Amino acid sequence: EVVLTQSPATLSLSPGERATLSCRASQSLSGYLAWYQHKPGQGPRLLVFGVSNRATGIPARFSGSGSETDFTLTITSLEPEDFAVYYCHQRFNWPWTFGQGTKVEIK
Amino acid sequence: EVQLVESGGNLVQPGGSLRLSCAASGFTFSSFWMSWVRQAPGRGLEWVAKMNQDGSHITYVDSVEGRFTISRDNAKNSVYLQMNSLRAEDTAVYYCGVAIGDYFSSWGQGTLVTVSS
Repeated sequence: EVVLTQSPATLSLSPGERATLSCRASQSLSGYLAWYQHKPGQGPRLLVFGVSNRATGIPARFSGSGSETDFTLTITSLEPEDFAVYYCHQRFNWPWTFGQGTKVEIK
Repeated sequence: EVQLVESGGNLVQPGGSLRLSCAASGFTFSSFWMSWVRQAPGRGLEWVAKMNQDGSHITYVDSVEGRFTISRDNAKNSVYLQMNSLRAEDTAVYYCGVAIGDYFSSWGQGTLVTVSS
């Protein structure tokens, strides 16, 4: 099973600041890496797929990068609605897995 | 607009059964893969099962293999999760999702399953 390790567990930032979230995989994912945003009472929202492709309707302040085993989600300027939990996800191998999540909270 | 609405979550005793349903609208249901993921209290997301358009390709996470069955009715635009031999560790919010593209891009709001005596 591919293990995804996210860091940090919690990120305390103010609106307008830049957020950098990391995800490390236990093996190379050949680009099969996505990021989801998850808020209480809602289903996960796909932000980025294939490492760096923004999903439909996702604002340009969200960007993904990385390769092999190390990946990053960057939110260039946090908006109030961006405070949530973010998960990286791999679909390279079954069982597909998620990281344990990074909570972006208001400082 | 893609909409997925889960139902069927409830309190059930260990060893019991439950059937979750997910009603889909806003897209051509029969053309896309469907899936279930879950989130246990205080935990992260876990993929449970997925199936292709006609049900010929189905996979489960090991922890539910042999106990859970995913199915779909393309005429009713619905996907189901039959859960048998439920355990306390199956307690979670269950979400259904659709893969419009290579990734699961839309999800419902979830239904809560609580396994407890």
